Amino acid sequence: QSALTQPASVSGSPGQSITITCTGTNSDIGGYNYVSWYQQHPGKVPKLMIYDVTNRPSGVSNRFSGSKSGNTASLTISGLQAEDEADYYCSSYTNNVVFGGGTKLTVL
Amino acid sequence: EVQLVQSGGGLVEPGGSLRLSCAASGFNFNNAWMTWVRQAPGKGLEWVGRIKSKPDGGTEDYAAPVKGRFSISRDDSQNRVYLQMNSLKTEDTAVYYCNAGGHWFDSWGQGALVTVSS
Repeated sequence: QSALTQPASVSGSPGQSITITCTGTNSDIGGYNYVSWYQQHPGKVPKLMIYDVTNRPSGVSNRFSGSKSGNTASLTISGLQAEDEADYYCSSYTNNVVFGGGTKLTVL
Repeated sequence: EVQLVQSGGGLVEPGGSLRLSCAASGFNFNNAWMTWVRQAPGKGLEWVGRIKSKPDGGTEDYAAPVKGRFSISRDDSQNRVYLQMNSLKTEDTAVYYCNAGGHWFDSWGQGALVTVSS
């Protein structure tokens, strides 16, 4: 099972919005509404930010939103803050689970 | 409060074996699918495998790189899940996390570092 494709890095200034894409196939992202997104700060445990494409767990800021079109899922962060600087990973159900390679978000 | 407390990990020589343990509390463990995810140093997350709940069949699934070498088991009486790792390779060096869930993970163990080196 190949990893999902994410950009290696994205950046934005405080207050701006950014979008991280996650591209898969008909067998994973395109086949199920089971995309999730994780935030990981250096040396920390990953944190679930979005599940089942669009749902936010309790306690996650509504500045984080998820969507999907065809075989590509997206995570949008609005009103960028310094604390959002982290690595972000997407994942999809595929009968098993596959992760993306990760995207490093830099807040300029 | 959901808690996943891991134990095990350490340094092992190539070809060796190691068992990781994960003690769960704060949720209905009997009905939970339990998953292991790993992260090699400086790399991304990688799904290792999962074990379904007994009501859902209790079967295991594994990622291709570990299939035939790793096995996951569970003890519902102790609320514990295990990852038995055999024939370890240097490329298995990673932090291993246990999770409660099948396809999304809102509860993670603290991680256990496994280093495979001679």
